[in-house]
Amino acid sequence: EAEVAQSPRYKITEKSQAVAFWCDPISGHATLYWYRQILGQGPELLVQFQDESVVDDSQLPKDRFSAERLKGVDSTLKIQPAELGDSAMYLCASSWTDHDTGELFFGEGSRLTVL
Amino acid sequence: AQRVTQPEKLLSVFKGAPVELKCNYSYSGSPELFWYVQYSRQRLQLLLRHISRESIKGFTADLNKGETSFHLKKPFAQEEDSAMYYCARSGGSQGNLIFGKGTKLSVKP
Repeated sequence: EAEVAQSPRYKITEKSQAVAFWCDPISGHATLYWYRQILGQGPELLVQFQDESVVDDSQLPKDRFSAERLKGVDSTLKIQPAELGDSAMYLCASSWTDHDTGELFFGEGSRLTVL
Repeated sequence: AQRVTQPEKLLSVFKGAPVELKCNYSYSGSPELFWYVQYSRQRLQLLLRHISRESIKGFTADLNKGETSFHLKKPFAQEEDSAMYYCARSGGSQGNLIFGKGTKLSVKP
């Protein structure tokens, strides 16, 4: 069964270092989402792609976060420099389309700890 | 701002008891409502959506536009229902989702 793949599963870094997370969506899914989930909270959208284009990055802290999906398939989320408050689970999800709110398929997530 | 409120962080019931997980959403047009579930050591997955009007694993949820609620119900809870449950609504025009903070359901034997 096709699944969203994410790596790394766990990342421990020191503040001011750079970190990167990778996501490979389900084949054929045009829409890709990065969510951040702080402990005890629900997932919050950081950025949404439709193919290779960003369609919503209004909640992405652009001074330190960047995201790309160059070929409209896999995606990378980068944080530079990392801060203590960035410790969270970073979830990637994909769906067939953004034309209507369909089912989002989530990856297992990348848990970031910033020391 | 569009919001989803799940007032209970933790709900603990005994096996066989009825369960209701509450969800309220901020009114904005005609949102689509969803319940997502995350079982221990599994990824977040869709449980049900209001437009389907279906029962999944014995769970149902009715959209009450007057009360802006979308409570999740099951008449007889099972131990395997223990999980984190997130209510979500459609966000902006881009098809993304806004999630509540989640309710942890614990079903005791």
